[in-house]
Amino acid sequence: AIQMTQSPSSLSASVGDTVSITCRASQTVRSDLGWYQQKPGKAPKVLIYASSTLQGGVPSRFSGSGSATDFTLTISSLEPEDFATYYCLQDHDFPYTFGQGTKLE
Amino acid sequence: EVQLLESGGGLVQPGGSLRLSCGASGFTFYSYMMSWVRQVPGKGLEWVASISGSADLTYYAESVKGRFTISRDNSKNTVFLQMDSLRAEDTALYYCAKVRRFFEWGQGTQVTVSS
Repeated sequence: AIQMTQSPSSLSASVGDTVSITCRASQTVRSDLGWYQQKPGKAPKVLIYASSTLQGGVPSRFSGSGSATDFTLTISSLEPEDFATYYCLQDHDFPYTFGQGTKLE
Repeated sequence: EVQLLESGGGLVQPGGSLRLSCGASGFTFYSYMMSWVRQVPGKGLEWVASISGSADLTYYAESVKGRFTISRDNSKNTVFLQMDSLRAEDTALYYCAKVRRFFEWGQGTQVTVSS
């Protein structure tokens, strides 16, 4: 199974900051990597898919990059509603695997 | 608008069974892979199982293989997760998701395995 190593596990930031979260795959997932945001008591929501494609309705301050084994989610100019937990997910091969999550606080 | 509504969760004893259902609307159900993902409260996400649109292909996490069965009824726009031989570690919130390039999620149904 492909292992996804996400870092950091938690991140302290302030409104207006720019932050980055990384995911590293144990083998190539090509560009089959998505980023999801989850707020307490809510289902996850897709932000980015196929490594860098912004889902419709998601603010442009979110961006994704990377391919093969190394991926980055960048959030520019943090807004108050961005404080949440973020997960990467590889859907290149079964079993699909998530990163461990990054809590942005 | 895509809607996914999970049901069937509850409290069950170790070794028992539950059948989760997920009713879908707002998209052409038969053309989408569907998946189940679970989350222990306060913990991360774990993919559980997926089924192709035509139901000819199924995939499972090692942790549930041989105990859980995913199926679907395209005439009723519903996907199921039959969970047998349940263990305490299966306790989680179970999400149904529509999958094509990314996951779109329902709101989840809680499963608690405890004596």
